[in-house]
Amino acid sequence: NAGVTQTPKFQVLKTGQSMTLQCAQDMNHEYMSWYRQDPGMGLRLIHYSVGAGITDQGEVPNGYNVSRSTTEDFPLRLLSAAPSQTSVYFCASRSLQGGLRSPTEAFFGQGTRLTVV
Amino acid sequence: SQQGEEDPQALSIQEGENATMNCSYKTSINNLQWYRQNSGRGLVHLILIRSNEREKHSGRLRVTLDTSKKSSSLLITASRAADTASYFCATDAWNNNDMRFGAGTRLTVKP
Repeated sequence: NAGVTQTPKFQVLKTGQSMTLQCAQDMNHEYMSWYRQDPGMGLRLIHYSVGAGITDQGEVPNGYNVSRSTTEDFPLRLLSAAPSQTSVYFCASRSLQGGLRSPTEAFFGQGTRLTVV
Repeated sequence: SQQGEEDPQALSIQEGENATMNCSYKTSINNLQWYRQNSGRGLVHLILIRSNEREKHSGRLRVTLDTSKKSSSLLITASRAADTASYFCATDAWNNNDMRFGAGTRLTVKP
């Protein structure tokens, strides 16, 4: 019963490097999203997807790319890492079986702690 | 910008006391949810209240929603040391599905 799995758990990058944070869910959820959590600021939405082939921007999309080629996977790509992207990243998924107007609870991964030096 | 704002930012109580956290939001919502986060871990869903509901209970949790004031409260009764965590409110707007979070309330329950 894995739920939402994020890899890696920890990562250190040098400024300018690129990398992909992986997120996979096994609950057949249509909706997946990425958040970053900074001290004192709660969670801010980066990108989200309501199904395979569909993605949209959240509050803080700059510097990040996403794709949704399958229902299960929703990777987050950092194109050119900057120290301002040092944060804890959370992936979440939720069912939209009740329709777009009836969203349900979100299930979260355990997070990826990213440091950009 | 973030949709929800929790109040207080931090709360410290003794075991057995009740804890009340408040959340205010800015725009019209479809529903509001409360989540809990233990230090360094992912968020766990506690309760969801829809915009046409005013109060909801789940075990020791009681949530109220006042859409006219754009506010919600989470009450934890008979608190335990294990309730020590950060609590976040999150809102879904009617016109999209991007769930927005507040900054959270850090609750400490002393044994």
